Amino acid sequence: DTAVSQTPKYLVTQMGNDKSIKCEQNLGHDTMYWYKQDSKKFLKIMFSYNNKELIINETVPNRFSPKSPDKAHLNLHINSLELGDSAVYFCASGYPYTAPLHFGNGTRLTVT
Amino acid sequence: ELKVEQNPLFLSMQEGKNYTIYCNYSTTSDRLYWYRQDPGKSLESLFVLLSNGAVKQEGRLMASLDTKARLSTLHITAAVHDLSATYFCAVDSKGGADGLTFGKGTHLIIQP
Repeated sequence: DTAVSQTPKYLVTQMGNDKSIKCEQNLGHDTMYWYKQDSKKFLKIMFSYNNKELIINETVPNRFSPKSPDKAHLNLHINSLELGDSAVYFCASGYPYTAPLHFGNGTRLTVT
Repeated sequence: ELKVEQNPLFLSMQEGKNYTIYCNYSTTSDRLYWYRQDPGKSLESLFVLLSNGAVKQEGRLMASLDTKARLSTLHITAAVHDLSATYFCAVDSKGGADGLTFGKGTHLIIQP
C-alpha cells in the first residue's frame, strides 16, 4: 500500500488554465504539507495543514490554494497558471516533532 | 528566518573514498533530518537526529548533530556507486507546524 499518493504524476497545461493535484495519505498522520521543488532541486514549503489549521508560506501566490476534505487528503488547486509555476510538487505527511516526513512521488507540472 | 546551508552542493568522488557533507543552520533547533533523492524520484528519509550529540549510522553513511555549533554532518565511508544521489538536510525549528526547511542539496556522483 502506498503511504502518500499523489495524482497525477505528470501534468502538462497551458498558461492561464486552472488545475488541481490530489494527495492522500493512509498513515494516519495529523499534518500534511505541500512542497515545491524547482528546476535547481530546491525544496520550499508551501503549506502545512493540521487539524483544520492552515499555515501558509507568505511567499506563495494566492493563486495557490490547498483544500482538505478530511485528515487523509490535502489537494492543491492552482488558478491562472503561469510559466514560473512549472516545477515538481510534493505532498508529504507526518507527525511533527520527532518523526521524518513521508513524501509522495511528486507531480511534475509543466506550464507551456 | 531559518536558513539551512549545505556544502558542497556538488561532489564527484571515486569509489572507496571517504567524504563528509556539511549542513549548517541559522537558528536554534534540535531536530534535523537527512533525506536522499534519486533522479526523478521522491525523497527517502535516511536519518532523524533529535538531540545534541546524536549519531546515527546505516551502512556506509553516518550522520551526527552538534546543536551548539548548529552543524550536522553526513559522512560517507568507502563510497560505492549506489550511493550516487542528491542528499538533503532539513531542519525543523518550530515544532513541525511550519514544516521542514531544506538545504539546497548535495548532488553526489560516485565514479566506479
